[in-house]
Amino acid sequence: EPEVTQTPSHQVTQMGQEVILRCVPISNHLYFYWYRQILGQKVEFLVSFYNNEISEKSEIFDDQFSVERPDGSNFTLKIRSTKLEDSAMYFCASSDFSGQAAEKLFFGSGTQLSVL
Amino acid sequence: GDSVTQMEGPVTLSEEAFLTINCTYTATGYPSLFWYVQYPGEGLQLLLKATKADDKGSNKGFEATYRKETTSFHLEKGSVQVSDSAVYFCALTQPLYSSASKIIFGSGTRLSIRP
Repeated sequence: EPEVTQTPSHQVTQMGQEVILRCVPISNHLYFYWYRQILGQKVEFLVSFYNNEISEKSEIFDDQFSVERPDGSNFTLKIRSTKLEDSAMYFCASSDFSGQAAEKLFFGSGTQLSVL
Repeated sequence: GDSVTQMEGPVTLSEEAFLTINCTYTATGYPSLFWYVQYPGEGLQLLLKATKADDKGSNKGFEATYRKETTSFHLEKGSVQVSDSAVYFCALTQPLYSSASKIIFGSGTRLSIRP
């Protein structure tokens, strides 16, 4: 069965460092997403990406964040200068359809980012 | 705004026990309700859904009934197995045909089943 792959599963970084979280969406999907979950809190939407541009983003997704599809398979989330409060589980997801998202999303297993 | 509250975990049960994971919601109108499951090392996947009041979603022996009068969507299973150990997320969208940004998730409940 096709799956969304995220690497690494756990990333530790120092405050102020740049990190890149990587995702390989399902190959024929066109819509890509990042979510995050701070420990003990709710899963929150960060950004959606389609046709090589951001289609929607939340208030969390400020200038410190960026996304990119550098080639035909990878989808990356970059945090330019990490803060302690960026420590969270980051989930990538992809879909072949923009609507009915709750039923159509395929999620990766997440990258646990720890900022020290 | 809309929100979802689910019972805090972790929940630990013995195999074959009855499971209930509570989920309540706050929303205007008639949201669609979902349960997702995340097995160890895997991504979240849709477990079941209900799109209108009194609907019952079911899958893999799990059930949840959309109760508008109590704004609840509790997840139940009559006899749990070790393989049900996972994190369970309650969620809603409004309306069903919503974009991914509109999915409201709960914080997840970790379930561990002892053999």
